[in-house]
Amino acid sequence: DIQMTQSPSTLAASVGDTVTITCRASQSISSWLAWYQQKPGKAPNLLIYKASTLQSGVPSRFSGSESGTEFTLTITSLQPDDFATYYCQQYSSSFPTFGQGTSVEIK
Amino acid sequence: EVQLVESGGGLVEPGGSLRLSCAASGFTLNNWSMNWVRQAPGKGLEWISSISSSSKYIFYADSVKGRFTISRDNAKNSLFLQMNSLRAEDTAVYFCARVSVAAAYLGAFDYWGQGALVTVSS
Repeated sequence: DIQMTQSPSTLAASVGDTVTITCRASQSISSWLAWYQQKPGKAPNLLIYKASTLQSGVPSRFSGSESGTEFTLTITSLQPDDFATYYCQQYSSSFPTFGQGTSVEIK
Repeated sequence: EVQLVESGGGLVEPGGSLRLSCAASGFTLNNWSMNWVRQAPGKGLEWISSISSSSKYIFYADSVKGRFTISRDNAKNSLFLQMNSLRAEDTAVYFCARVSVAAAYLGAFDYWGQGALVTVSS
């Protein structure tokens, strides 16, 4: 299986900050990577797919990029609604895998 | 409006069985591949099974292979997960999720249900 290593596991930030979350794949996944946001007690919400394509309705302060097998989610000008847990997911193989998650907390 | 609604969760003893259902509305299920993803209490997301639109392709995570069976009834716009030989470590919220690209069996998951809690305990 393809392993997804996500970092950091926790991140403390303030409203207005720019935050970056990284996900590294154990092998090439091309651009078949998605990012999700999850709030407590809720289902995950798709933010970005194909590494950098913003899902419809998602604010433009969210962006994704890639460099080889390393993928980055950037949130520019963090808003109160953005404090949540974020997961990356590869869907390159028939066995999709998620990163361990990054909890973005209020500093 | 696209909606996915899970049902069938509950408390079951170790070794027991449970069948989850996922009712789809707002779209025609037979054009879309579907998945089950679970989340143990306080833990991350774990993909456990997928089924293509025609049921031709079915995959399972090693953690559930041989114990869980995914199926679908396109005529009833429903997805199912039959869970047998349940263990304490299967305790989790189970989500059904749709693949974002019609007719593809791989893709990001664009719609999710609200989740069904399965608790395996004596």
